[in-house]
Parts: sequence; structure tokens; C-alpha cells
Amino acid sequence: EVQLLESGGGLVQSGGSLRLSCAASGFIFSSYAINWVRQAPGKGLEWVSGISGSGGSTHYADSVKGRFTISRDNSKNTVFLQMNNLRAGDTAVYYCAKAYYGDYTPDYWGQGTLVTVSS
Amino acid sequence: QSVLTQTPSASGTPGQRVTISCSGSSSNIGSNYVYWYQQLPGTAPKLLIYRNNQRPSGVPDRLSGSKSGTSASLAISGLRSEDEADYYCAAWDDSLSAVVFGGGTKLTVL
Repeated sequence: EVQLLESGGGLVQSGGSLRLSCAASGFIFSSYAINWVRQAPGKGLEWVSGISGSGGSTHYADSVKGRFTISRDNSKNTVFLQMNNLRAGDTAVYYCAKAYYGDYTPDYWGQGTLVTVSS
Repeated sequence: QSVLTQTPSASGTPGQRVTISCSGSSSNIGSNYVYWYQQLPGTAPKLLIYRNNQRPSGVPDRLSGSKSGTSASLAISGLRSEDEADYYCAAWDDSLSAVVFGGGTKLTVL
């Protein structure tokens, strides 16, 4: 059974940093891209970033480029999202989402972790 | 403003068939697979359709997906009260090198 467990969310002041983690199990971790997708309160889904199975390729939404960094440790089946210079507009539930094989588009999703940026 | 365009709301009565549409462009829907998700209040999204028209195990066959050109649609037949949820489409966009989502459609079962 595929499981994705996010952690690291919380309350941070504007301009601060947070590091999210996503611990995965139930599949061959290094074979799949992993994404971070966020959802602001009462809003729709917004893709944030994705990383290939090997970690050699990363992609970012324009809204976070230069502030967020995605990485993975295939020895620990974990993906990270380092978020710097956080803004009020980054307040959202952040979901870790495994990609369908050969694609970046998600299939399985974690339960999410809430990030609140206070101004 | 979302890259993929969905009608914000849709509704139907129990037993009816409803269709939710998703419009994109040649760089996303036109050249890549479309995925559909259901999100119930307070929960994570759940995959309903992958690769345009494939259902994961456990998703009933009264749900179906289709794609034509730069548009896609999700059809739900035999509508049930438990289908009341938000529905999102998504695809990879070659120009943006990003996954793009629709703005979501809120389905109400009357």
C-alpha cells in the first residue's frame, strides 16, 4: 500500500523558513517522481514543485522559483521541500504526491501538512 | 487564473448523468495525458482517472474520462449523494515544465 506522510508544517513569520519532509513507503521510491502540491484555504490545487526519481531533474512553479528547493534522499525514501523567504501567500496545506509512472502528474497523495505564514 | 479551465460549479439529481469539462491548450492537454481527482471536504485529493480514460482499481465504472484535442471531460452517471465533492483536472505542460491544474468544479447533488 502506497503511503506518503508529510511533516514539518507549522506557523512561521513572513520572511522565515520551513523544511517539509515526505516519508514514502509501499513502492519502489527511486522509480517515481514526487511532487509538492498546495491548497490555500478555500482555494484550488496549485502545483509547487516536482523532482524526478533519481533527483537529477527538478521543476518549480514560477510563484516559488528561487525561494523553494526540492530534494530527495532515496536511501531514506524521503523528499524534502526547503521553503525560504516565506510570504503570507504561501499559507496553505502542502501535499506530497507521488507521480504516475513515467509522468509527473500525481496519482497517490499524502494527507497534507499546514503551513501558516503570519505577517 | 488556472492554466486549465473548468466550470466552477455543476449539479444534478440522483441517478442523473453529469459531465465536467476541462479546457487547455496544445502544450498541456493537447500533448499529454489528463488526470482527474475528487476532493471531499477536509480530505486529500483522490485519483479518479489517469491517462485520459483509465480508472484505478476501486473507482466505479459509472465514472469515465475522455479527451479530444485540447479538451477533456469527466462523466459521472447514476449520480449519488456521495459524489458531492470538488473535482479537478490536471496535466503536464510542456511549455511551463510544470503540472497544471484546473480551478476545480464543485459538484452539488440536489
